Amino acid sequence: SSDLTQVPALSVALGQTVRLTCQGDSLRTYYSSWYQQKPGQAPRVVMYGENNRPSGIPDRFSGSSSGNTASLTITGAQAEDEADYYCHSRDTTGDLVLFGGGTRLTVL
Amino acid sequence: QLVESGGGSVQPGGSLRLSCSVSGFIFSNYWMSWVRQAPGKGLECVANIKQDGRETYYVDSVKGRFTISRDNAKSSLYLQMDNLRVDDTAMYYCARISGEYGYYGEYWFHPWGQGTRVTVSS
Repeated sequence: SSDLTQVPALSVALGQTVRLTCQGDSLRTYYSSWYQQKPGQAPRVVMYGENNRPSGIPDRFSGSSSGNTASLTITGAQAEDEADYYCHSRDTTGDLVLFGGGTRLTVL
Repeated sequence: QLVESGGGSVQPGGSLRLSCSVSGFIFSNYWMSWVRQAPGKGLECVANIKQDGRETYYVDSVKGRFTISRDNAKSSLYLQMDNLRVDDTAMYYCARISGEYGYYGEYWFHPWGQGTRVTVSS
C-alpha cells in the first residue's frame, strides 16, 4: 500500500493533550517520523523511530506506534505548537518515500 | 546548514537547475534528498541520492525529467529539472537523510534548507 492517512485538522485547548495519528499498512513494518511546519517556514523533524526526539524538541512531544497507526502526542499543548504536522514512512515494499497529507493543529 | 538556490519562473517545457550548498556536517557521509511542496499542499519527496552518487530514487511523476546529482568535493547537491510542467510548481527543499535509508531501516529528514521556489507558468 502506498498511503499514509492523517486527519486534516485538529484543535486542542491550551495546556491540554492532543494525539495526532497516521494510518497506513506500511506502519506495521516500518517506523515513522513526524515533521512540524509553521507558516512560511521549512519543516522540521519532531519525532523519529520508536520515540526519539531530536535535540531541541520539547519533551511534551512523544511518539508511539501500534499496528497500522503511528501517533504523535503533545502533552500540554502550547500556542507555539500550532502548525501543520506531517508523518512520513516507507510504503509496504520499503522502496517508496511516503508523506501523509498532514494535520493542521490549532491551539485554542 | 543547507542553502538552496536556482529557483525561479519558467514556462512549461523549460528547464531549471537547483543547487543546495551544505555546511556543518560531512556531506559525503549522507544520503541527500529534494522534497517539494506545492502551494497549499503537503510534502512530496522528489529524489534521493546515495553518498557516492551511484544510487538514486525518484518519485514516478518526475522520472525521466529530473536528475539528482551531487559533488562531494563541493558539498553540493543539485536537481536538474527538464521538461517542466505546471504541476511542478512548488517550494523545493533540500534535506539530509539521517538513519538507515539504504538498508530499509528507520530514517528521517534532518536538517532542511529554507527552500527555493519554482514557478512553472505560461
